Amino acid sequence: DTGVSQDPRHKITKRGQNVTFRCDPISEHNRLYWYRQTLGQGPEFLTYFQNEAQLEKSRLLSDRFSAERPKGSFSTLEIQRTEQGDSAMYLCASSSTGQGAPEAFFGQGTRLTVV
Amino acid sequence: AQSVSQHNHHVILSEAASLELGCNYSYGGTVNLFWYVQYPGQHLQLLLKYFSGDPLVKGIKGFEAEFIKSKFSFNLRKPSVQWSDTAEYFCAVNARLGGKLIFGQGTELSVKP
Repeated sequence: DTGVSQDPRHKITKRGQNVTFRCDPISEHNRLYWYRQTLGQGPEFLTYFQNEAQLEKSRLLSDRFSAERPKGSFSTLEIQRTEQGDSAMYLCASSSTGQGAPEAFFGQGTRLTVV
Repeated sequence: AQSVSQHNHHVILSEAASLELGCNYSYGGTVNLFWYVQYPGQHLQLLLKYFSGDPLVKGIKGFEAEFIKSKFSFNLRKPSVQWSDTAEYFCAVNARLGGKLIFGQGTELSVKP
C-alpha cells in the first residue's frame, strides 16, 4: 500500500501521560497536514508542513501539542499531559503542490482515548 | 471567518432516489472546493473538486457538484443513489494556492435497500 500510513491505529492512555503519533505520507508529496476529528464533526485543521517547514499552526492548538517533520518525510505529533478532551481521531494527510487544487490523501487515522 | 456549512446532518433515502447535499462556504478570496466521502471503516477519499472553469464538475461513482459563486454554494448531487453510497460526506474549501482544508461538519447518508 503506497498511501498515507499512520501509527498506531489506536491508543489508550491515562490522563496526564504523553503520547506520540507517527505519519508516513505518500513519498513524492511535499505537504503534510494534521487534523483532529471528533464524533459528528468534520476534520479540524491542526498544523501543516511543506517539506520540513511548519507553515501554519491552528490558533486553537494548545501548547501541549507539537509536531515535527525533521527530514521532510515522516511526521510526528506529540501531545503532552493528555486531557480527556484530547480524545479524538487524529488524521494525517499529504499532498503535492502546484496548480489545479492538488488532492489531499488521508490516512486511516489514530484514535486516541484518554481515560 | 473561514467556515463551511452543510445543511443536513443525516439524510435517509431509498435506493434509486435522487440526492442533493447542500454546502455553503465563507472564505475570502478565490477558492478550491472539494467533496470527500468516508465509507464505514475507511479513510477519507476525494469524490470531486472544483478549482476553475466549468462550474459543474463530475466525480467518481456518478456524483456531480455545481459551484454557484453568487450563492457561495457547492452542492453535491447524484441522480440515483445505491445502497453502497451509504457513507459520510464532507464538503471542504481551501485557498486557490492550496494549503489547509476547512471542512463542514459532514452529512451522514443512509441508503435503504
